[in-house]
Amino acid sequence: GAVVSQHPSRVICKSGTSVKIECRSLDFQATTMFWYRQFPKQSLMLMATSNEGSKATYEQGVEKDKFLINHASLTLSTLTVTSAHPEDSSFYICSAAMGGIETQYFGPGTRLLVL
Amino acid sequence: SQKIEQNSEALNIQEGKTATLTCNYTNYSPAYLQWYRQDPGRGPVFLLLIRENEKEKRKERLKVTFDTTLKQSLFHITASQPADSATYLCALAKTSYDKVIFGPGTSLSVIP
Repeated sequence: GAVVSQHPSRVICKSGTSVKIECRSLDFQATTMFWYRQFPKQSLMLMATSNEGSKATYEQGVEKDKFLINHASLTLSTLTVTSAHPEDSSFYICSAAMGGIETQYFGPGTRLLVL
Repeated sequence: SQKIEQNSEALNIQEGKTATLTCNYTNYSPAYLQWYRQDPGRGPVFLLLIRENEKEKRKERLKVTFDTTLKQSLFHITASQPADSATYLCALAKTSYDKVIFGPGTSLSVIP
């Protein structure tokens, strides 16, 4: 089956630093990648949608200058949390789709802890 | 704005029984409804997808119903096992290429 990986799986950083999270589709080309955030005991909240080669579309309330998304190839999207603060600590999950909803696959998530 | 609700309380059932989880939505007309399983600290795992023109879908011990009039989906796990203990999320999308919106999830515990 289709596999989506994320790296790193866990990251701890100091407040004010930037953190980059990678999302890769390992065995298929993803035309669209999605980034979600999940706080403890809460559901997944969509942050942004990115299509290869174009700018990401951010959901209302998500700061595009703080959460930089790059989808440079059909197998890689990156999310950079700039100047991270403790309130950015969360579980970040990506998904990749090669077509419609039936071809969307989720990554294992990245746990970010900002001290 | 659209709203998705799932069983508000955690669900505890005895092994071997059927677990039934509900997903209700308002101000939304999804063409696709999905159910996912999520274990602690892991990403969601896709279980079943049902389309608006389908009433019911089955996969092994899983069954999903979709009632667009009631704006509700029911998710059943028959002959439940302790390994079925997890959080189950319903997710909706207006079209195949639209963003997927998740419900809050229901925590299921199957007691041996």
